[in-house]
Amino acid sequence: QVQLQESGPGLVKPSGTLSLTCGVSLASISGHVWWNWLRQPPGEGLEWIGQIHHSGGGSSNPSLKSRVTISVDKSKNEFSLNLNSVTAADTAVYYCASNPGTGQFQYWGQGTLVTVSS
Amino acid sequence: QSALTQPASVSGSPGQSITISCTGTSSDVGAYNYVTWYQQHPDKAPRVIISEVSNRPSGVSNRFSGSKSGNTASLTISGLQADDEADYYCSSYTTSDTYVFGTGTKVTVV
Repeated sequence: QVQLQESGPGLVKPSGTLSLTCGVSLASISGHVWWNWLRQPPGEGLEWIGQIHHSGGGSSNPSLKSRVTISVDKSKNEFSLNLNSVTAADTAVYYCASNPGTGQFQYWGQGTLVTVSS
Repeated sequence: QSALTQPASVSGSPGQSITISCTGTSSDVGAYNYVTWYQQHPDKAPRVIISEVSNRPSGVSNRFSGSKSGNTASLTISGLQADDEADYYCSSYTTSDTYVFGTGTKVTVV
């Protein structure tokens, strides 16, 4: 089954950019799969951030759209998230997940906590 | 987009059945059969227990079942067990090519 692993800084300064990468194993990033980012603030619920397809298609949460960039690196079999102008409200566990086109986030990474603080 | 509405908490005794509702709109739950239910234990990533309204992935107990009527989806857990104590979230694909989650339900086995 697909294995996903998030990586990136655990601490980001306010007004800075949060950058995370999701490494994909046991599957090709160029398959018929949508690659997603989600997050969960401590003690709160899940929030979908956005998705990308290797062909370049994608979409994102309207509430975050102006600050979010999601990209694919086929050569490294990974995809990335950039979230700019962060505030303390962006502190959360960030997950990457795969969607095989059936509306479900089928496989998940273990999650990585990103704290926004000076 | 607004979060789907779930009860904050549901409890039951071992062996009982409980149902969790997930209410959306005609732009999400009511629009497609792309409703998914997730189970999340503390400090763990969510896992799919029901996809496409009522499909149960391989390895998921048949005690979990899903359904939908109009803009409301439901998850039923029968024969409640101690390990079912967790947070449960619904999600839906929307007509705007986005995804929205439910507010989450904490299930307690008393």
